[in-house]
Amino acid sequence: GENVEQHPSTLSVQEGDSAVIKCTYSDSASNYFPWYKQELGKRPQLIIDIRSNVGEKKDQRIAVTLNKTAKHFSLHITETQPEDSAVYFCASGGSNYKLTFGKGTLLTVNP
Amino acid sequence: NAGVTQTPKFQVLKTGQSMTLQCAQDMNHEYMSWYRQDPGMGLRLIHYSVGAGITDQGEVPNGYNVSRSTTEDFPLRLLSAAPSQTSVYFCASMLQGLNTEAFFGQGTRLTVV
Repeated sequence: GENVEQHPSTLSVQEGDSAVIKCTYSDSASNYFPWYKQELGKRPQLIIDIRSNVGEKKDQRIAVTLNKTAKHFSLHITETQPEDSAVYFCASGGSNYKLTFGKGTLLTVNP
Repeated sequence: NAGVTQTPKFQVLKTGQSMTLQCAQDMNHEYMSWYRQDPGMGLRLIHYSVGAGITDQGEVPNGYNVSRSTTEDFPLRLLSAAPSQTSVYFCASMLQGLNTEAFFGQGTRLTVV
């Protein structure tokens, strides 16, 4: 089955800096790559997603890039703010109706 | 729209007890799934359903049963609770099986003693 590796497991940045989280996947048939944000004690919520026919997607301070050849995708957060502090999960989806999640990255933005 | 609703929010069970975690969605989503979340392990798929009457196993199905008699409801049954099933459980639904946002319930924190 699909395997998703996510790095780093923890990331600490200063407010205003950029943060980058990277994921790799194993199934070449995967075609959907969402990112979820989970605040402490809350449910995961989608923040951005990308499909395999697109190389990059931006939404304000958040961007995601996808390299299908290398089977990796990344989340980029610019101008980080304390409210960006949370656990971020990448995921991979394909034709088998399943989402496989990475193990998560705890992002801490220090004021 | 209430979205995805899970009950209960918290539960303590004794080893060997059984219980059902409830999940309901009012978005007419075809696809529903159950995940468990353990520290450092991410979200792992337990069971999923692509429509009423259809269920299948995910990554960690042992010790759990599901059924899908209606589009709205997808209960998760613990047959004989074990301490290894202590976890936070999330139900999720999607409009389609592919390439759409998964909406999560608020989670159930289960402790088995």
